[in-house]
Amino acid sequence: IAGITQAPTSQILAAGRRMTLRCTQDMRHNAMYWYRQDLGLGLRLIHYSNTAGTTGKGEVPDGYSVSRANTDDFPLTLASAVPSQTSVYFCASSDSPSAGGADTQYFGPGTRLTVL
Amino acid sequence: GQNIDQPTEMTATEGAIVQINCTYQTSGFNGLFWYQQHAGEAPTFLSYNVLDGLEEKGRFSSFLSRSKGYSYLLLKELQMKDSASYLCAVGDSNYQLIWGAGTKLIIKP
Repeated sequence: IAGITQAPTSQILAAGRRMTLRCTQDMRHNAMYWYRQDLGLGLRLIHYSNTAGTTGKGEVPDGYSVSRANTDDFPLTLASAVPSQTSVYFCASSDSPSAGGADTQYFGPGTRLTVL
Repeated sequence: GQNIDQPTEMTATEGAIVQINCTYQTSGFNGLFWYQQHAGEAPTFLSYNVLDGLEEKGRFSSFLSRSKGYSYLLLKELQMKDSASYLCAVGDSNYQLIWGAGTKLIIKP
């Protein structure tokens, strides 16, 4: 593994189903992030984790949950999917969130999720 | 509130120069980033400015004026592969990145 991987690449999901998007990084970065990207809108932060064992809410956290049991993995769970959660989901990581300014974030390839 | 503004779309000719502007209003400032995103792909890091002035990196340069809440990305000697969206992002007081909607750059031969 080099960088950040996400799985699945794409998924079609029935409304009401539970879904977990996986994200793994091998750069030993402290911070990890989940974004959604919708046409005409900027990347919007769903949840973040500044270090293993801690998580925080971003701009659009409702309907999503995360966990950070170790440095490498940061799964995103949709407990009961709704059509408005149709989007492209990107996981990102950065070395440190507060060392001399915001740190460069590196992105995974994304998961394209469609909720019907 | 926090806001990042950039043009929705720009068109330029291969071999020419294009400037993509970004204005921002955020709670605090901890650096400004430019990312490139090709259609269907992930954003990739291009440049970072935390002090006023111009940062040059090959064909790409980025400028920052913190007093004006303004940045631009300058692309020289445009190539067809530069056709992509360019995202402006600002680190806020919590060191989270606030993202603009992106500028879609179309390069014509």
